[in-house]
Amino acid sequence: ETGVTQTPRHLVMGMTNKKSLKCEQHLGHNAMYWYKQSAKKPLELMFVYSLEERVENNSVPSRFSPECPNSSHLFLHLHTLQPEDSALYLCASSQDLDRFSSYNSPLHFGNGTRLTVT
Amino acid sequence: AQSVTQLDSQVPVFEEAPVELRCNYSSSVSVYLFWYVQYPNQGLQLLLKYLSGSTLVKGINGFEAEFNKSQTSFHLRKPSVHISDTAEYFCAVSDRGSTLGRLYFGRGTQLTVWP
Repeated sequence: ETGVTQTPRHLVMGMTNKKSLKCEQHLGHNAMYWYKQSAKKPLELMFVYSLEERVENNSVPSRFSPECPNSSHLFLHLHTLQPEDSALYLCASSQDLDRFSSYNSPLHFGNGTRLTVT
Repeated sequence: AQSVTQLDSQVPVFEEAPVELRCNYSSSVSVYLFWYVQYPNQGLQLLLKYLSGSTLVKGINGFEAEFNKSQTSFHLRKPSVHISDTAEYFCAVSDRGSTLGRLYFGRGTQLTVWP
């Protein structure tokens, strides 16, 4: 049990489908993240939420739409994806002292959702 | 922007042998440094971190790493590996002045321990 739970573990979808990835953290953290992990590439930070407010969006295509209804839940809505979007999508959380703190608390990751776009 | 270089994409070793996984970073400011491990079909788990103080940090599972500011390195070591250490290892860095745990990751090193 990692404290960060992601569902589903595996997802296969066509390019015209709409699906959502879910993440829930049980650690009482105040920040949540979406990362994309593709083979042979560094982890890519996609979105950051702090106190349910999106504070970063690293030029991610609009076919990925995040939602953070509260500090414990994070969603990634998927629509009209491309085959190159196939990857492992990792959710993470951390406890940050405040938005301007120089202290970086470690990230706690979920086990990821393996997404395959056909 | 930060960059993190993990010099070896794959490191095969025999059980009970020592291992070193190399990590170099580029930064003009002070940094925090981390090593994460990823076992098959799992997310990343923190092994150890350097925030300040002693440059030799100890982590879980018998791993340790040494921060070398002059060489901008943070190499991970273990004196005697086990088969269960087979996994992918990621080095990560963040600026001390950055917010919200922004991390830059290396491409990872696959450690394979053979019996």
